[in-house]
Amino acid sequence: AQSVTQPDIHITVSEGASLELRCNYSYGATPYLFWYVQSPGQGLQLLLKYFSGDTLVQGIKGFEAEFKRSQSSFNLRKPSVHWSDAAEYFCAVGAWGGYQKVTFGIGTKLQVIP
Amino acid sequence: DAGITQSPRHKVTETGTPVTLRCHQTENHRYMYWYRQDPGHGLRLIHYSYGVKDTDKGEVSDGYSVSRSKTEDFLLTLESATSSQTSVYFCAITPGDTDTQYFGPGTRLTVL
Repeated sequence: AQSVTQPDIHITVSEGASLELRCNYSYGATPYLFWYVQSPGQGLQLLLKYFSGDTLVQGIKGFEAEFKRSQSSFNLRKPSVHWSDAAEYFCAVGAWGGYQKVTFGIGTKLQVIP
Repeated sequence: DAGITQSPRHKVTETGTPVTLRCHQTENHRYMYWYRQDPGHGLRLIHYSYGVKDTDKGEVSDGYSVSRSKTEDFLLTLESATSSQTSVYFCAITPGDTDTQYFGPGTRLTVL
């Protein structure tokens, strides 16, 4: 069974500081990996995804993530955080089994302070 | 924008009443999904559909039913709403040429 762990429920960073959100997954084969962002009262927006190939993936809004098979991790990074990045971030792992089965982490809520 | 709308966006109802939520898509995607989002649980799959009249259960399907009589509409029904079904419900689609899910804006349901 696939699973996702986001060990940090809340993270607070200063505006302009770098950010790394952690994600560990469990899956037997090469997974599909995703990061979504959710602003308050909004739906989930896809930030980036990894299926295969280059393990460093670039996404929207200046975010990137690195797939590390040996550590079963897919951490999300941004070099300089903006106040508008305050939101909740969800890591997810997907697998195709007749449908796209996606398992989500519980989310990391990011607070950005001036 | 994945062309997904959900209605209603907010609903307050009483325990024991039936409730139907609608997900509408405009691009004839084959796969559609219903999730619920609760604090501490992330998103959990309720039901999914892989075509007209083709549906199956997800991990938290008890107390929910779905129907898909047209490609563009996927309905989620709570036959007799309970307070434990107070949640935010999201619809999602998978475009045929990708393995990525795209989400609608959500429906906030409160069962009193």
